[in-house]
Amino acid sequence: AQSVTQLDSQVPVFEEAPVELRCNYSSSVSVYLFWYVQYPNQGLQLLLKYLSGSTLVKGINGFEAEFNKSQTSFHLRKPSVHISDTAEYFCAVSVRSNDYKLSFGAGTTVTVRA
Amino acid sequence: GAGVSQSPRYKVAKRGQDVALRCDPISGHVSLFWYQQALGQGPEFLTYFQNEAQLDKSGLPSDRFFAERPEGSVSTLKIQRTQQEDSAVYLCASSLILAGGRDTLYFGPGTRLTVL
Repeated sequence: AQSVTQLDSQVPVFEEAPVELRCNYSSSVSVYLFWYVQYPNQGLQLLLKYLSGSTLVKGINGFEAEFNKSQTSFHLRKPSVHISDTAEYFCAVSVRSNDYKLSFGAGTTVTVRA
Repeated sequence: GAGVSQSPRYKVAKRGQDVALRCDPISGHVSLFWYQQALGQGPEFLTYFQNEAQLDKSGLPSDRFFAERPEGSVSTLKIQRTQQEDSAVYLCASSLILAGGRDTLYFGPGTRLTVL
């Protein structure tokens, strides 16, 4: 079975600074990878996803992630954060043969300070 | 347009009570999912419907959990004889056709269930 590890549970960052959220996965078969964001009192929203092709994936709100097969990682980055990026971020994986079932990491809470 | 809605948003139940949680997916969405999110954890898959057919219920924790989607739109997750370990946020999600990588999942805000 596949699993996801988010290496940081909390990431404090100053406004306009860069941020990187780390995600590692384990799977013996090919996977799809996702990052979701959850703002307070809202549902999970897809930021970006990797299906195939280019390993650098660009998403909404200026976020991007890079798939590294050899390191089984899918780290999320943003070069300059805003106060409005304060939220919880979840990395998720699904196996290609059973891709409707997502396995999520435990989440990383990002707090952006002025 | 309207997103996925869930009701109630908050539910407090005494141990042993039955509860029913409702999900209204986006109109026309074929696939519907339920996930359970315990405090401090990521969501965990419970069950998956394609129209009215329940194609996967492997994530339901016990036979006290039951989900249905009789007309292929609204879904209800029922928990019988609730236990304290059932306390969690229950998330519903829908997608237009297929799920996972080939289609985007839209999540509702969740129902927070607290069992006393």
